[in-house]
Amino acid sequence: GESVGLHLPTLSVQEGDNSIINCAYSNSASDYFIWYKQESGKGPQFIIDIRSNMDKRQGQRVTVLLNKTVKHLSLQIAATQPGDSAVYFCAEPRRYSSASKIIFGSGTRLSIRP
Amino acid sequence: IAGITQAPTSQILAAGRRMTLRCTQDMRHNAMYWYRQDLGLGLRLIHYSNTAGTTGKGEVPDGYSVSRANTDDFPLTLASAVPSQTSVYFCASSALAGEHNEQFFGPGTRLTVL
Repeated sequence: GESVGLHLPTLSVQEGDNSIINCAYSNSASDYFIWYKQESGKGPQFIIDIRSNMDKRQGQRVTVLLNKTVKHLSLQIAATQPGDSAVYFCAEPRRYSSASKIIFGSGTRLSIRP
Repeated sequence: IAGITQAPTSQILAAGRRMTLRCTQDMRHNAMYWYRQDLGLGLRLIHYSNTAGTTGKGEVPDGYSVSRANTDDFPLTLASAVPSQTSVYFCASSALAGEHNEQFFGPGTRLTVL
């Protein structure tokens, strides 16, 4: 089946640098994506979302870019801090029967070097 | 405001035993979900409920049952636990059913079946 959230498994960045986490998807009909952060021992936490009618969306210290031509998303974290250490998932909500489910990719583990 | 709470945090269970994982949300969300998270398989939907009094089967419902007697609670029951049900279980909720509604996740229950 078509997949979402093909990630590089790990990323290590220096504290204070910007982090860029990439995600690829295969379904050209996908129209809504969410980035989640999952810290060790916790549930996924919503960071930011983007709809396909947008190329860019900014939050607090985070920016998501969507390139529909190459079916690619990225999450940019400015001035990375130790608290940003986590696994980051790009995810796509999809209709499932009369409900919906979140399709999570494999995730990227972000580690911060002091 | 607690959001979504799950209990227990973790549990070790003998195979064949019955177990109920509890989930409560205080956001008055209509829709609730149960996922399991396994390494390499991401999150998979077990059961869902679009509104109090209704439930539906997800991708991996076998061996699990749910009930939704009221808006706030959505317990997940393993009638006779098996080792393959060892996993981390996440409860989630969204204001409404449908793929464009943000799902909020609980902290998870780590279950080990021996």
